[in-house]
Amino acid sequence: KAGVTQTPRYLIKTRGQQVTLSCSPISGHRSVSWYQQTPGQGLQFLFEYFSETQRNKGNFPGRFSGRQFSNSRSEMNVSTLELGDSALYLCASSRWTGGDEQYFGPGTRLTVT
Amino acid sequence: DAKTTQPPSMDCAEGRAANLPCNHSTISGNEYVYWYRQIHSQGPQYIIHGLKNNETNEMASLIITEDRKSSTLILPHATLRDTAVYYCIVRVGQGGKLIFGQGTELSVKP
Repeated sequence: KAGVTQTPRYLIKTRGQQVTLSCSPISGHRSVSWYQQTPGQGLQFLFEYFSETQRNKGNFPGRFSGRQFSNSRSEMNVSTLELGDSALYLCASSRWTGGDEQYFGPGTRLTVT
Repeated sequence: DAKTTQPPSMDCAEGRAANLPCNHSTISGNEYVYWYRQIHSQGPQYIIHGLKNNETNEMASLIITEDRKSSTLILPHATLRDTAVYYCIVRVGQGGKLIFGQGTELSVKP
């Protein structure tokens, strides 16, 4: 069974631009969660989507948003990029929301210059 | 904030058992203990989880104390490929939210 895939793997953007990252979950998984990892803050939860609905949200500004499609694929968007948004963005999928192990993708490395 | 406390680093000799401790003294009765690991520059990998009974799978064993205030992840025969940051996580309520702490950086040495 194919794992979680994320595209693109690497991205370089300029301050003020916006970016869209994509995540395809494991087949049959309906929950997708997003995390940001930086050296200073570690791994932080962004949000979770299940059945096209946002179920949980972390403490990030409104510039960070996401959505999920009917095939469970998910995208996250960051608008008006700041230097501090440089990070590894990780997507994780699970069969259901809550109480189930999550499987992570390889991440998208975003660099903002 | 994370609800767990782990030592920042540990060493283990190759072939020996690696025992990684975790304190979670404020755990609630319906919260599970999860373990993940992250090998450098990769996404975290699920290892094991449990509620109150000891658990074992092909990767590791999880020992949870009777009062559930602490647990130990055991890698029975550590290899160099087990070198990673290990995260102990208490699942917070419902939903897919995992709160990661700083984890334990395990170095397996020849």
